[in-house]
Amino acid sequence: KNQVEQSPQSLIILEGKNCTLQCNYTVSPFSNLRWYKQDTGRGPVSLTIMTFSENTKSNGRYTATLDADTKQSSLHITASQLSDSASYICVVSLSFWSGGYNKLIFGAGTRLAVHP
Amino acid sequence: NAGVMQNPRHLVRRRGQEARLRCSPMKGHSHVYWYRQLPEEGLKFMVYLQKENIIDESGMPKERFSAEFPKEGPSILRIQQVVRGDSAAYFCASSPPIATGTDTQYFGPGTRLTVL
Repeated sequence: KNQVEQSPQSLIILEGKNCTLQCNYTVSPFSNLRWYKQDTGRGPVSLTIMTFSENTKSNGRYTATLDADTKQSSLHITASQLSDSASYICVVSLSFWSGGYNKLIFGAGTRLAVHP
Repeated sequence: NAGVMQNPRHLVRRRGQEARLRCSPMKGHSHVYWYRQLPEEGLKFMVYLQKENIIDESGMPKERFSAEFPKEGPSILRIQQVVRGDSAAYFCASSPPIATGTDTQYFGPGTRLTVL
């Protein structure tokens, strides 16, 4: 069964601290893995995307890693800011070549709260 | 270039009524996806459409739910005879043609449906 599991479910950190969010997946055939940020009451916004051959990808203070052998990914946030408070969603793309598109499998997300 | 637009943002219906959710994709995007997000859960794929065609509706409930993407106008997700369990946030996403080399989906702000 194609699944994406994230941990922790929720996390509270102080402003300026670093944190790492985890994602494990059992999705096949795998196309790519993305991390999305979803602010309360808004739609998800893509932060990073990695294909099978990529181990790491950065976007400002966000750094994602991917281990395709163990099917694990992490999102590291450096020097957190209050505006980082949001849900972070790991999304794995299921390759559907016959249909010409890739179906997305979403994790439940990690709810991050950054306190002053 | 306006992003994905959804309306209404909030919709309240009584049990047994119909709900119509609209999605206008980004300019130049011909692929539309609908997702449902229950409270404290991840987004779940419902249906994928191209202009005038339903490509994958494997996530749609068998009854009461339908979707269309006409040649002209927005995509519509229609829920007939709503029940309390239909209360959720419904997100629409769009992507450009696969030939452009990217399958990134861009999400709208969502419609929050409340069934009384």
